[in-house]
Amino acid sequence: LAKTTQPISMDSYEGQEVNITCSHNNIATNDYITWYQQFPSQGPRFIIQGYKTKVTNEVASLFIPADRKSSTLSLPRVSLSDTAVYYCLVYSNQAGTALIFGKGTTLSVSS
Amino acid sequence: DTAVSQTPKYLVTQMGNDKSIKCEQNLGHDTMYWYKQDSKKFLKIMFSYNNKELIINETVPNRFSPKSPDKAHLNLHINSLELGDSAVYFCASSSCPDPPCYEQYFGPGTRLTVT
Repeated sequence: LAKTTQPISMDSYEGQEVNITCSHNNIATNDYITWYQQFPSQGPRFIIQGYKTKVTNEVASLFIPADRKSSTLSLPRVSLSDTAVYYCLVYSNQAGTALIFGKGTTLSVSS
Repeated sequence: DTAVSQTPKYLVTQMGNDKSIKCEQNLGHDTMYWYKQDSKKFLKIMFSYNNKELIINETVPNRFSPKSPDKAHLNLHINSLELGDSAVYFCASSSCPDPPCYEQYFGPGTRLTVT
């Protein structure tokens, strides 16, 4: 099972772009990269997924280089409400497979 | 409408007691999970059920017994509670391929405190 490594914490100010990089050197061919967000006292919430190149949705962008050994979650113009823990996961797209969470990156946004 | 709901939200009990946590999802998903988040915020899978059938059973003490009466419900019963069982327990659901397998929906969590 691929292991992910990401920074334990990051600090930012409102309005800035935040990039969180995750390394997954042992990613397998059929693995997907997915990111979850967890606010205090809430369950994790899916935010974005990708296999290669770039994916963008209304919440974030995900950049994946050709070798897929790392990925970068980009949050444009963060606000205070983006303060949360962000988890990078590598996931084999099979029914019933559990998500394997690491320690995540705690993002703190200040005004 | 809450997609994945859990009851109770908070549970305080004494060592040795038996307790249950209930989970219900109204998304029509066919797979449900129990995750445990410990005091260090580490989130770990405990069980997974697909169409009422157990498909993942991680190394969890047999004091923990999941029960799925139907596709929409997955309850967690814990016997002889220990101090180390104190944690937040999350229920989740998914359905492949629509939505994709990596997209799981989590409940609000049940904070269990054993004294």
